[in-house]
Amino acid sequence: DSGVTQTPKHLITATGQRVTLRCSPRSGDLSVYWYQQSLDQGLQFLIQYYNGEERAKGNILERFSAQQFPDLHSELNLSSLELGDSALYFCASSVGGVTETQYFGPGTRLLVL
Amino acid sequence: DAKTTQPPSMDCAEGRAANLPCNHSTISGNEYVYWYRQIHSQGPQYIIHGLKNNETNEMASLIITEDRKSSTLILPHATLRDTAVYYCIVRPQTGANNLFFGTGTRLTVIP
Repeated sequence: DSGVTQTPKHLITATGQRVTLRCSPRSGDLSVYWYQQSLDQGLQFLIQYYNGEERAKGNILERFSAQQFPDLHSELNLSSLELGDSALYFCASSVGGVTETQYFGPGTRLLVL
Repeated sequence: DAKTTQPPSMDCAEGRAANLPCNHSTISGNEYVYWYRQIHSQGPQYIIHGLKNNETNEMASLIITEDRKSSTLILPHATLRDTAVYYCIVRPQTGANNLFFGTGTRLTVIP
């Protein structure tokens, strides 16, 4: 158990819909990272937040957005969902925002029908 | 951008040492070598990391060559639960903090 929690574990929705994935970092960690793992793309970095501020952006679509709240939990919002958005979404956390080891949550499996 | 090369798959007999190689010939002096593994579709699990010296923890040992162009992750006594995809990742000390996961090595531990 890494100490990072993600909800929900599974999500099934339809194309065009919007969903919100939630992540709670390990106690004391200030950084949260979001990654997407699809069958054809592997694990890809989406975005990082550090203490409430966006720190780095990766291959995140404009339809996707994220935020980190004062209690340090984070939410990833996916809108206008397409079939290709079906994937595993992982959250990771680290103490700081630069070089510390990232610890991953169990993931949310999203299926868009 | 991939900075590491790993064999796509390996087998190891249960109870034997599993030695997973990684080539990172373009590694810079300020870049760490990290190893993670992913069991089935679970979240990636941190194993170990190092800069220059060999490292050991309760999970594994990391051997980095003197020129730092390659490394080997050693699981001393592989069990069936070690069957997973193992990722070798090169990561700078400063700057971008995201991890780049390549295709990794699928290790199968055979009874």
